[in-house]
Amino acid sequence: QITLKESGPTLVKPTQTLTLTCTFSGFSLTTTGVGVAWIRQPPGKALEWLALIYWDDDKHYSPSLKSRLTITKDTSKNQVVLTMTNMDPVDTATYYCAHESDYGSGSWPFDYWGQGTLVTVSS
Amino acid sequence: AIQLTQSPSSLSASVGDRVTITCRASQGISSALAWYQQKPGKAPNLLIYDGTSLQSGVPPRFSGSGSGTDFALTVSSLQPEDFATYYCQQFNSYPRTFGQGTKVEIK
Repeated sequence: QITLKESGPTLVKPTQTLTLTCTFSGFSLTTTGVGVAWIRQPPGKALEWLALIYWDDDKHYSPSLKSRLTITKDTSKNQVVLTMTNMDPVDTATYYCAHESDYGSGSWPFDYWGQGTLVTVSS
Repeated sequence: AIQLTQSPSSLSASVGDRVTITCRASQGISSALAWYQQKPGKAPNLLIYDGTSLQSGVPPRFSGSGSGTDFALTVSSLQPEDFATYYCQQFNSYPRTFGQGTKVEIK
């Protein structure tokens, strides 16, 4: 059974750095064809993909946020960490981590999601 | 980045109605498209992948169609638990992108 859970601060001040941790179980990030992504959703708005890391440490970032994001993995702890620098009130959102895996033939959907964690940016 | 445009942005329907939501990609993405359902306060749930493949455990009243740039999600007979927001997402290339969502409300 695959599960993911996000953790981190619920409130950060503008200009601070946000660090979020995704702790997962039921799969390994050393297994070929597996990735973990971060996706956010501002209140009442659409989903926005942020970053993704694969079993082979291949990483991809949203071009609009690339300069502020870093994604890393700790396979021994079954964790993926996202850091976002220079936080702003517009970054207020629910942040999700999600499991992406190779369904074959170039198919890579997000098939398992964490429950999400709401991060508010305010002074 | 590939842009996904969903229509309509919202719709009102009754239980038992057949509902179709469309998703248009700004460039061809073959069949690399997924559909998700999201209920208030919950994480999205994968319904369809590869444009037409039903995820395990998803009721067969949900179906997907299309390839290239034009896709659709159809609910053959809307049930009370189907009132939610639906998103398309492409995995053809990076950055992964989502549509803006379609909210299905009770008429």
